[in-house]
Amino acid sequence: DAGVIQSPRHEVTEMGQEVTLRCKPISGHNSLFWYRQTMMRGLELLIYFNNNVPIDDSGMPEDRFSAKMPNASFSTLKIQPSEPRDSAVYFCASSSGTSGSPSTDTQYFGPGTRLTVL
Amino acid sequence: AQSVTQLGSHVSVSEGALVLLRCNYSSSVPPYLFWYVQYPNQGLQLLLKYTTGATLVKGINGFEAEFKKSETSFHLTKPSAHMSDAAEYFCAVSSSGTGNQFYFGTGTSLTVIP
Repeated sequence: DAGVIQSPRHEVTEMGQEVTLRCKPISGHNSLFWYRQTMMRGLELLIYFNNNVPIDDSGMPEDRFSAKMPNASFSTLKIQPSEPRDSAVYFCASSSGTSGSPSTDTQYFGPGTRLTVL
Repeated sequence: AQSVTQLGSHVSVSEGALVLLRCNYSSSVPPYLFWYVQYPNQGLQLLLKYTTGATLVKGINGFEAEFKKSETSFHLTKPSAHMSDAAEYFCAVSSSGTGNQFYFGTGTSLTVIP
C-alpha cells in the first residue's frame, strides 16, 4: 500500500516567493494533518481536516500560511510570502479514525518536505 | 493546557542493554499518550499509544510504556536494545473534548553502541 505521499521532498526558495507543499493521504483516510518540525520548536500541529473540512487551524502561525483540501485525496499548504524563519520540515499525516481528531486516532506520516527559504 | 517534557535529548545505550526514554506530561484532563519513532529522513511512525484501560501498553518492535498517573509519566522501555533502534523518539499528549490539540515533546535521540 502506498503511504502518505508528499511533494516536493526538498524545496529551496528565496524570501518573498510563494511556496506550495502538496500531500496525498492514504486512500480511505478521512483526516489529514499538517505539521512543522524545527530544531527550536520541535513538532507543531498546524492544521487538521476531517472529511475535507478544516477543523482546527489554531496552529497556523500567521496569515501567510494557508491550507486547502479540495478533495479526499489531495491537500496543499501554501506560504505566501515566504520568509527565512519558515525554513523547516513540513509533515503531512492522515488517519482513518471516525472522530477526526488527533486525540486518539493513529496518524500515518509522510516523509516530509524540507523547505529552505534563503 | 497540555505539555510534554522529554528528559534527555540524547541517550546512548549498549547493544543488548535496557532502553529507557523518559516522558512526563502535564494535562488538566485525562490524557491520551503516544510514542512515535522517527528514522533519518523519514516521517514519524507510531510505536504505541495509551487512551484508556490497561496502563501498561505494548507496542511494536518490543517497546512498551506504562502510564503512571501519580507520577504524570509515560516512560518508554525496551529490555534489550538493537542497533536498528537508533532513531529519534517523540512522546506526545492529547485529550478529548472540543478544541483538542496534539503536543509533541522535543524528542530524544537514541544511539545504540555496538
